Amino acid sequence: AQSVTQLDSQVPVFEEAPVELRCNYSSSVSVYLFWYVQYPNQGLQLLLKYLSGSTLVKGINGFEAEFNKSQTSFHLRKPSVHISDTAEYFCAVTTYSSASKIIFGSGTRLSIRP
Amino acid sequence: EAGVTQSPTHLIKTRGQQATLRCSPISGHTSVYWYQQALGLGLQFLLWYDEGEERNRGNFPPRFSGRQFPNYSSELNVNALELEDSALYLCASHVEGGLMNTEAFFGQGTRLTVV
Repeated sequence: AQSVTQLDSQVPVFEEAPVELRCNYSSSVSVYLFWYVQYPNQGLQLLLKYLSGSTLVKGINGFEAEFNKSQTSFHLRKPSVHISDTAEYFCAVTTYSSASKIIFGSGTRLSIRP
Repeated sequence: EAGVTQSPTHLIKTRGQQATLRCSPISGHTSVYWYQQALGLGLQFLLWYDEGEERNRGNFPPRFSGRQFPNYSSELNVNALELEDSALYLCASHVEGGLMNTEAFFGQGTRLTVV
């Protein structure tokens, strides 16, 4: 079975500073990886996804993530954050299986300080 | 095009009662997922329905149940409510029989409070 670990429950950063949100996964088969964002009092929306091909994936709002198979990681990065990036971020994994389900990490709350 | 809609947005029940939550997927989507988001616990997978059948189930007691209707809308039922059932319940829909290679679309959630 697959699992996802988000090592940081909260990440405070100053506005315009770079940020990295960490995600590690475990799986015995090939995986598909996702980052979702949840703004306050809203549902989740997709930031970016890795299915195959280039290991560097670019998403919305200037975010990007890099798939590292040897380290089983899929860290999310942004070179310069804005107040509007304040949200909870979820890493998720699924596998190509008819009985698969998407597994979410516990989430990382990103708080931006002016 | 309408997104995933969930009703009600807020629900207050007393301990021991039953709660029914509803989800309408995006038109054309046949899969519906239910998740529980309790404070500080992230997203916990509850149930997955596809083409009217339960495909997978998370590690929750049997008092959490649901169904999917012929129009692909879904209900989540929680019987014998307990205080720790208080959470945001999110529904997501997907066009295929699994989240293999496209994104899931989430509703705004139903906030269930058990008192």
